[in-house]
Amino acid sequence: GENVEQHPSTLSVQEGDSAVIKCTYSDSASNYFPWYKQELGKRPQLIIDIRSNVGEKKDQRIAVTLNKTAKHFSLHITETQPEDSAVYFCAGTDSWGKLQFGAGTQVVVTP
Amino acid sequence: GAVVSQHPSWVICKSGTSVKIECRSLDFQATTMFWYRQFPKQSLMLMATSNEGSKATYEQGVEKDKFLINHASLTLSTLTVTSAHPEDSSFYICSAREHEQYFGPGTRLTVT
Repeated sequence: GENVEQHPSTLSVQEGDSAVIKCTYSDSASNYFPWYKQELGKRPQLIIDIRSNVGEKKDQRIAVTLNKTAKHFSLHITETQPEDSAVYFCAGTDSWGKLQFGAGTQVVVTP
Repeated sequence: GAVVSQHPSWVICKSGTSVKIECRSLDFQATTMFWYRQFPKQSLMLMATSNEGSKATYEQGVEKDKFLINHASLTLSTLTVTSAHPEDSSFYICSAREHEQYFGPGTRLTVT
């Protein structure tokens, strides 16, 4: 099955700086890679996703890149703000269409 | 976007009792729903896939006789934690799939 690894586990950035989170996956058949933001005690919220036929996708301050050959994908947040502080999860789909989540990254944006 | 609800949002029960959690897709029909468990400071771990009209499929290591799943309609799946123990205390989250997975708000279960 799919195995998704995520790094770093914690990330502290100054407000205004960029944050980058990296994930690798094992199943070359995976074709959908969402990113979720989860605040304490709340549900994960989809912030951006990318499919395997696309190399990059951007939505305002958030971008995701995908390298299918190397089987890794990354989340980029530019001009970080305190409200970006949360836990971020990457995920990949296995051959059954089930999501396998990375371990999560605690992002702390300090003013 | 699509809306998924869960009930209750939190529950406290005594060890040995059973607890039922409901997951509903409010504005779409979902033949497939998923149940996850999340311990503090950890990731979401898939417990089982709930299929409308058929038996759920469980992930390795998840006891199907302890975590009973029923998906009786296209908008409702239930998870029953039977004979709950303190180690079952966790945050249980469901999701329903339309074009993507939409998550419920979660249920905080505390077993005393």
